[in-house]
Amino acid sequence: AQKITQTQPGMFVQEKEAVTLDCTYDTSDPSYGLFWYKQPSSGEMIFLIYQGSYDQQNATEGRYSLNFQKARKSANLVISASQLGDSAMYFCAMRLNNAGNMLTFGGGTRLMVKP
Amino acid sequence: GAVVSQHPSRVICKSGTSVKIECRSLDFQATTMFWYRQFPKQSLMLMATSNEGSKATYEQGVEKDKFLINHASLTLSTLTVTSAHPEDSSFYICSASIGTAINQPQHFGDGTRLSIL
Repeated sequence: AQKITQTQPGMFVQEKEAVTLDCTYDTSDPSYGLFWYKQPSSGEMIFLIYQGSYDQQNATEGRYSLNFQKARKSANLVISASQLGDSAMYFCAMRLNNAGNMLTFGGGTRLMVKP
Repeated sequence: GAVVSQHPSRVICKSGTSVKIECRSLDFQATTMFWYRQFPKQSLMLMATSNEGSKATYEQGVEKDKFLINHASLTLSTLTVTSAHPEDSSFYICSASIGTAINQPQHFGDGTRLSIL
């Protein structure tokens, strides 16, 4: 069965600095997708960035980028130039090609940006 | 972008009441929708997969008679918490994706905070 692990329950970062949120996964399926979501205190889930298992390059989306290391089964999220509004819970999730649309979520990391 | 609307955003009611939560895909059709439950400071736990025109698929440990799911159209799924009790108090959130391609993200509603007194 697939599994997603986020080992950092909480992280602090100084405003304007970069921060890396860790995510490791475990699956024997060669075809999968990895997603990162942001959940502010208001509760909504905001899609940030996607990385496919066959993608040759690391995904980037504005201030968000993925450090995808397939051999190590890690897909860490890098947020550059942190802003106060980045303070939120961040979830890594995986979708398998043979599992329909279902997502498996990691436990999440709470990021707190200090002014 | 794709929008999923969830209503109501917050419910406070007495023990024994049944509560219906609606999840709508506003600008796309969703043959499959998902219902999650989230306890404070925890991750999302998948409760069930809602399939348009057929029975929902429930995850292990989720009582299908307690959490009734109906997906009568391609844009609407409902979750009814029957005879709710304080232990059912939680944050419930639904999602849907456009198509089945692996790179399609799930789009989430804003969630429903359910408080049973």
